[in-house]
Amino acid sequence: AAGVIQSPRHLIKEKRETATLKCYPIPRHDTVYWYQQGPGQDPQFLISFYEKMQSDKGSIPDRFSAQQFSDYHSELNMSSLELGDSALYFCASSPSGPGHRQTYPYEQYFGPGTRLTVT
Amino acid sequence: AQSVTQLGSHVSVSEGALVLLRCNYSSSVPPYLFWYVQYPNQGLQLLLKYTSAATLVKGINGFEAEFKKSETSFHLTKPSAHMSDAAEYFCAVSPGYGNKLVFGAGTILRVKS
Repeated sequence: AAGVIQSPRHLIKEKRETATLKCYPIPRHDTVYWYQQGPGQDPQFLISFYEKMQSDKGSIPDRFSAQQFSDYHSELNMSSLELGDSALYFCASSPSGPGHRQTYPYEQYFGPGTRLTVT
Repeated sequence: AQSVTQLGSHVSVSEGALVLLRCNYSSSVPPYLFWYVQYPNQGLQLLLKYTSAATLVKGINGFEAEFKKSETSFHLTKPSAHMSDAAEYFCAVSPGYGNKLVFGAGTILRVKS
């Protein structure tokens, strides 16, 4: 079965550089979530999109922005990178309505993550 | 705000022994609760979820969890640990709307042979 695809899997950037992380949801999933997991920490919700519109916002720095495109893939743009941005960034996708053989709340399927290292 | 607390950052059991990972939730309304597993360098995989349909929830890989409202708990259990169960386990709560997940700090399960 198709899974959530994230690219790149690993990314090394220097301070003050920019980075773009991409997420390709499972086909027919219209909701995408971004989470940040620092070393030894639990995942923290950043932002989510439903049908290309931002649906919820968590602890996302102003230096970060994200969007969901017409094909439902999403990109997380990170500027002025700081050492503290080094983390594993997960994308998850889920369907939003019935017809997907799931009970509410709909399960989030996580991608393998992008490991960002800022030096 | 809804939150979950996982008791014990590390749990060690012998192979074949009972696995018990503890999670308590804080919510003013009936919550949606989840257990996820994360293997090293991998994403999170859903083990099971509580949606109020039944208090005892069975998941994958022989895991189950029981929702106890009186104790505000949703502990994860498995009767017999296997070496392949060694991983980090996260309890999570969702307010329902928007579906975002709020995770606990995680419990690393070690299985000794």
